[in-house]
Amino acid sequence: DAGITQSPRHKVTETGTPVTLRCHQTENHRYMYWYRQDPGHGLRLIHYSYGVKDTDKGEVSDGYSVSRSKTEDFLLTLESATSSQTSVYFCAISEGRNIQYFGAGTRLSVL
Amino acid sequence: GQQLNQSPQSMFIQEGEDVSMNCTSSSIFNTWLWYKQDPGEGPVLLIALYKAGELTSNGRLTAQFGITRKDSFLNISASIPSDVGIYFCAGLNGGSQGNLIFGKGTKLSVKP
Repeated sequence: DAGITQSPRHKVTETGTPVTLRCHQTENHRYMYWYRQDPGHGLRLIHYSYGVKDTDKGEVSDGYSVSRSKTEDFLLTLESATSSQTSVYFCAISEGRNIQYFGAGTRLSVL
Repeated sequence: GQQLNQSPQSMFIQEGEDVSMNCTSSSIFNTWLWYKQDPGEGPVLLIALYKAGELTSNGRLTAQFGITRKDSFLNISASIPSDVGIYFCAGLNGGSQGNLIFGKGTKLSVKP
């Protein structure tokens, strides 16, 4: 997994609760990404970061926020989880705007 | 936004058969990537293509960057059971804020 650790790997939570997913890398790559994967939609970009404290929105950013206070950590927060956010979440890293390497994913269920 | 059309959506083949899948787009890409995803895991890079017309192999896998820069193909020769999984194409150009655009995947099933 190219030095990428996602935690937790599985989480079940209730509607309305806050949830934070963590991505940790040991590669010192500049770019980090959060995707969600849903049947019929493939991988969709939520947010990405191009450096410490530098982040931007992706295709499906509504309901999500991110933070990157250190090069190695990229956090994805669902402020108030909804059932539509039940999904598998993947973190990815890249050094430049090219090949991305993915973590093993976090399976989130919002009941 | 930009889209990649990946086909077929799924394939059921016999062990030993060859497999072909492709991605097309209305937009030009500078880079094409092919990933494979096993159940319960993240996508893993198989092949990267950087030049129009480029043909690159990785073992039994061969991928090509289309001449028009709007398509790419992946072939798997002599399939084996461990080839089972979902294969994704991804394109990168100067637009889309430099982010990858992914196809929706081709699910491959191999009968022993």
